[in-house]
Amino acid sequence: DVKVTQSSRYLVKRTGEKVFLECVQDMDHENMFWYRQDPGLGLRLIYFSYDVKMKEKGDIPEGYSVSREKKERFSLILESASTNQTSMYLCASSLSFRETQYFGPGTRLLVL
Amino acid sequence: GNSVTQMEGPVTLSEEAFLTINCTYTATGYPSLFWYVQYPGEGLQLLLKATKADDKGSNKGFEATYRKETTSFHLEKGSVQVSDSAVYFCALLGAGSYQLTFGKGTKLSVIP
Repeated sequence: DVKVTQSSRYLVKRTGEKVFLECVQDMDHENMFWYRQDPGLGLRLIYFSYDVKMKEKGDIPEGYSVSREKKERFSLILESASTNQTSMYLCASSLSFRETQYFGPGTRLLVL
Repeated sequence: GNSVTQMEGPVTLSEEAFLTINCTYTATGYPSLFWYVQYPGEGLQLLLKATKADDKGSNKGFEATYRKETTSFHLEKGSVQVSDSAVYFCALLGAGSYQLTFGKGTKLSVIP
């Protein structure tokens, strides 16, 4: 079974803090994704990566950056957290672009 | 662009009732179609998928058939259980695309 893990299930941060969300997959998948999930808005793609050190913007990249130094790990960075970044963050990975995306358990972030 | 429309929730059913959650899509070419399920406090899990017209995806008693003529992928289950209470997301992966497009989700509550 594919396993996608995220470093924290719940996180509380202050406005202006730098926040790191980590995601690790154990299936040698090429592609990794970061989404945020908000009530009434569904899931929206923030960034994705198709190889080590390669990244592409999704629909809502503003206020976020990402890092992929190793194939199995994809980090989402909030450079200066703001209250409107309070959300559920979901990481996913897939073997290739045409393959199923497998999701982690999510990180619920609260920015005060 | 691609889009997914699924029925608004919440849906409340009694145990052993028949379930249908409607999903229609707009896409060019031949997308792959998915149903994901999200249990309370958890990430998304793949429930079933279909990659070409007339394919039927099935898992855990759930079924959905890829109908190109009606651009639909309705989710059905003959007899729901309390443990099926969750949010269900319909999604598509466009032909030649990396990006999953999600519906807004349908919350299902099954009461004993």
